[in-house]
Amino acid sequence: DVKVTQSSRYLVKRTGEKVFLECVQDMDHENMFWYRQDPGLGLRLIYFSYDVKMKEKGDIPEGYSVSREKKERFSLILESASTNQTSMYLCASKRRDRENQPQHFGDGTRLSIL
Amino acid sequence: KNQVEQSPQSLIILEGKNCTLQCNYTVSPFSNLRWYKQDTGRGPVSLTIMTFSENTKSNGRYTATLDADTKQSSLHITASQLSDSASYICVVSYSSASKIIFGSGTRLSIRP
Repeated sequence: DVKVTQSSRYLVKRTGEKVFLECVQDMDHENMFWYRQDPGLGLRLIYFSYDVKMKEKGDIPEGYSVSREKKERFSLILESASTNQTSMYLCASKRRDRENQPQHFGDGTRLSIL
Repeated sequence: KNQVEQSPQSLIILEGKNCTLQCNYTVSPFSNLRWYKQDTGRGPVSLTIMTFSENTKSNGRYTATLDADTKQSSLHITASQLSDSASYICVVSYSSASKIIFGSGTRLSIRP
């Protein structure tokens, strides 16, 4: 079974702090994704990566950056946290060459910015 | 505009009853449609995928249908159980599956 592990289930930070969210997958997947999930809205893509050191902006990249130094690890960085970044953050991974394979999700990090 | 709309937003039914969740989409060119189940406090898990040529697909008590002409899909749950309480998310892939859109989900509650 694919396992996607997010380092924290709950996180509380202050406005202006630099915040790191970590995600690790154990299935050698090429593609990894970061989403945020807010009530009443579908998952929205922040960034994705299709290989080590490669990244692409998603639909809402403003205020975020990412890092993929190793294939199994994909980090989301909030450069200067703001209250409107309070949300549930979900990481996912997927094998690149199988279009009909699902994304595999972690259990999320609920981030609160005070 | 590419969109995925789900209805109802929330639903409460008694254990043992059946229910149907709806998903309407306006994307082009369509690639596939997937239903995910998301338990509270967990990440989404795939239930089933429908491609253009498929009308019906079952996964245990879950049956998904797809009408590519009207751009509608439904997820039917038979003989509901308490463990079916979750959010159900419709996800549509388009443009050779390189792009996806998530619906906002239907929150289903099963009452004993």
